[in-house]
Amino acid sequence: QVQLVQSGAEVKKPGASVKVSCKASGYTLTDYDIHWVRQAPGQGLEYMGWIVPRSGDTYSIQKFQDRVAMTRDTSISTVYMELSRLRSDDTAVYYCARGYNGWSPWGQGTLVTVSS
Amino acid sequence: EIELTQSPGTLSLSPGERATLSCRASQSFSSNYLAWYQQKPGQAPSLLIYAASLRAPGIPDRFSGSGSGTEFTLTISRLEPEDFAVYYCQQYGISPFAFGQGTKVEIK
Repeated sequence: QVQLVQSGAEVKKPGASVKVSCKASGYTLTDYDIHWVRQAPGQGLEYMGWIVPRSGDTYSIQKFQDRVAMTRDTSISTVYMELSRLRSDDTAVYYCARGYNGWSPWGQGTLVTVSS
Repeated sequence: EIELTQSPGTLSLSPGERATLSCRASQSFSSNYLAWYQQKPGQAPSLLIYAASLRAPGIPDRFSGSGSGTEFTLTISRLEPEDFAVYYCQQYGISPFAFGQGTKVEIK
């Protein structure tokens, strides 16, 4: 079945970087865009940006443009989202989602905790 | 940038009742790119409705979506116990894509 499986939880110190992976299975990664969304504890969904796996082109919202990098390794059907210069308010669950007729499926989420 | 506002923030209903959730956009956009998601505690969001009115595979027909322009609605005809959750609308046609703030459907 089509699924996205993300890497495990991370604990980072302020100022560090985190790299979250999202591995696709059950379909060809390069056929659909992958989007990244985060959710702070008890809050709603915040869109971050997307990557076109076929070309490697990326787009991120202005809030994250200077801190986020999205990449892919098509040989292992995996995309990555790296967020740098972490702050305490980056503590959140980070999700990847396949973009197609609405976004589905979603990864299970990766909790990133930023704490000194 | 399109902003989505959902109402009400919380809906308190009993199983078997009808739920009507609203999503209003700050500017008009194609209904082809309006989706609804359900999120249960500790889980990722899951797609219910796309293109404003099309049910995702496996979604029961008690869920229906409607609307166009700036006004969209998700209706749950008869609430089942598993439907109590948070629901988000989303526009995915014009970047930056955006979500509403969510409506929590809770048991009365």
